[in-house]
Amino acid sequence: QQQVKQSPQSLIVQKGGISIINCAYENTAFDYFPWYQQFPGKGPALLIAIRPDVSEKKEGRFTISFNKSAKQFSLHIMDSQPGDSATYFCAATRAIFGNEKLTFGTGTRLTIIP
Amino acid sequence: SQTIHQWPATLVQPVGSPLSLECTVEGTSNPNLYWYRQAAGRGLQLLFYSVGIGQISSEVPQNLSASRPQDRQFILSSKKLLLSDSGFYLCAWSVPTGRDEKLFFGSGTQLSVL
Repeated sequence: QQQVKQSPQSLIVQKGGISIINCAYENTAFDYFPWYQQFPGKGPALLIAIRPDVSEKKEGRFTISFNKSAKQFSLHIMDSQPGDSATYFCAATRAIFGNEKLTFGTGTRLTIIP
Repeated sequence: SQTIHQWPATLVQPVGSPLSLECTVEGTSNPNLYWYRQAAGRGLQLLFYSVGIGQISSEVPQNLSASRPQDRQFILSSKKLLLSDSGFYLCAWSVPTGRDEKLFFGSGTQLSVL
């Protein structure tokens, strides 16, 4: 089974700080890496995604950093806000296979404190 | 715009009772449909996916079954629930593009089997 290992399991960051969540994958054929954000009692929502032809992708305060040689990718949340408190899931797949082969990490519960 | 409806939001069922969770998608045609389960503190596990009416693929052997009687309707069922069936069930859809498909989740059903 292809795994995606996500860490940390939980994270507490002060308001205005940088939140960093890390993921590592095994299958070198993976070429699509989305991040999902889930608020309590809700379904996950796509936050940002990256393909391995770039090392970084930024959307507002959210940045994905990708290290192909290390088979690692991470989510950085700059200027973290209380509204960012949620569970974050990384995922990976081969894009041509579609979502039925999407492998999720186990999630990181992020709490932003004032 | 596309929307996904999933109900009920919360369900408490006794062991051995039947289950029927329903999901419908509006605003799109021929979507791929998915059922995921999310256990407490764990990641998202794909249970079933469907690429068309009557076409169901199962990812894990289990006590559950799925059906797609209409293009935009996906149903998750069980004849006899087990305690281990408790969890947060999520329906999702995507448009099959063959590349970087975006997955859209419903708001989920919290199932407690007692």
